[in-house]
Amino acid sequence: AQTVTQSQPEMSVQEAETVTLSCTYDTSESDYYLFWYKQPPSRQMILVIRQEAYKQQNATENRFSVNFQKAAKSFSLKISDSQLGDAAMYFCAYRSARGGGSEKLVFGKGTKLTVNP
Amino acid sequence: DSGVTQTPKHLITATGQRVTLRCSPRSGDLSVYWYQQSLDQGLQFLIQYYNGEERAKGNILERFSAQQFPDLHSELNLSSLELGDSALYFCASSERLAGGPDEQFFGPGTRLTVL
Repeated sequence: AQTVTQSQPEMSVQEAETVTLSCTYDTSESDYYLFWYKQPPSRQMILVIRQEAYKQQNATENRFSVNFQKAAKSFSLKISDSQLGDAAMYFCAYRSARGGGSEKLVFGKGTKLTVNP
Repeated sequence: DSGVTQTPKHLITATGQRVTLRCSPRSGDLSVYWYQQSLDQGLQFLIQYYNGEERAKGNILERFSAQQFPDLHSELNLSSLELGDSALYFCASSERLAGGPDEQFFGPGTRLTVL
């Protein structure tokens, strides 16, 4: 079974600075997808960024980018120019590409990000 | 707004009771997923339906059941409730089964409190 580990329960960053959230995963599959979800105090789950394992290029969405290291099974999220609205819980998630009922998301425990003004 | 609706937003009930949580997926989405978020277990997959049929099961207790109706809305039934069932229950929907990183769109969740 796949597992996702987020080793940083809490992180903090100064407004306008850069922060990196860590995520490692364990799988025997070669094809899969990785996601970062944001959960603000409203509790809504919001997709931040996604990465296909077969793509070597790291995904980027505006101020959010990932460092995907497939061999190391590492998938970190970098937030540049942090804003107060970035304060939230961030969840790393894994999804198999195998299909056949394997579409569920497997989540890490989350990292609580605080942004200091 | 993700387009996924869940009712009710909050539910307070007593141990031993039964409740039903309802989810309406985004228009056109055929797949519905249920997840439970609790303090000790984190976010866990419960069950998935696709076009009315059960597709996959996760860590869903026998006291819990779900179904997806012809109009594609889904209900999660929780019975013989225990204190430990208190959690935030999310419904998510997606359009396709596989073939790409099909995003799962999450509803706002139902907060269940068992007293």
